[in-house]
Amino acid sequence: KAGVTQTPRYLIKTRGQQVTLSCSPISGHRSVSWYQQTPGQGLQFLFEYFSETQRNKGNFPGRFSGRQFSNSRSEMNVSTLELGDSALYLCASSHQQGPTDTQYFGPGTRLTVL
Amino acid sequence: AQSVSQHNHHVILSEAASLELGCNYSYGGTVNLFWYVQYPGQHLQLLLKYFSGDPLVKGIKGFEAEFIKSKFSFNLRKPSVQWSDTAEYFCAGGANNLFFGTGTRLTVIP
Repeated sequence: KAGVTQTPRYLIKTRGQQVTLSCSPISGHRSVSWYQQTPGQGLQFLFEYFSETQRNKGNFPGRFSGRQFSNSRSEMNVSTLELGDSALYLCASSHQQGPTDTQYFGPGTRLTVL
Repeated sequence: AQSVSQHNHHVILSEAASLELGCNYSYGGTVNLFWYVQYPGQHLQLLLKYFSGDPLVKGIKGFEAEFIKSKFSFNLRKPSVQWSDTAEYFCAGGANNLFFGTGTRLTVIP
């Protein structure tokens, strides 16, 4: 079974631009969660999508948004990029919504904002 | 506020030494606790999890963790570490979504 895939793996943007990251969950998984990982803040929950609906949201500004498609693939968008948005963005998928189900993580997208 | 904390930032052990990494959680409601591991250059992967039942949970690669409700702790243990256990270890938990600890980097010296 293929694992969680994320594209692109690396991205370099400049301040003010916007970026879209993509995540393909494991086949059959309907929940996709996004996390931001930085050396200073560690892993922080961004949001979770289940059956195309955002079910949970972390404490991030509205510049961070996402969506999920009918095939469970998910995209995350960050608008008006700031230097502090440089991070590894991880996507995780699971069968069920919420933290009770094991989450399987992808390799991440490394975003650098210059 | 819900949180998970790990107090050991970097642990260095010799092979065959015993390991215990601390994790404390701070939230009410349903207890869902996990330990994830990230080997160098690899994805985060699940070591073990606890939802209910036997507070001593066994995971992959010889790891185990004990849930102690009175101490709000979920410490990770391994009786004898190997060089291949060198990795970063994350404790996580949460009632509605996962909160991760800041991670503990384990270096095992051959």
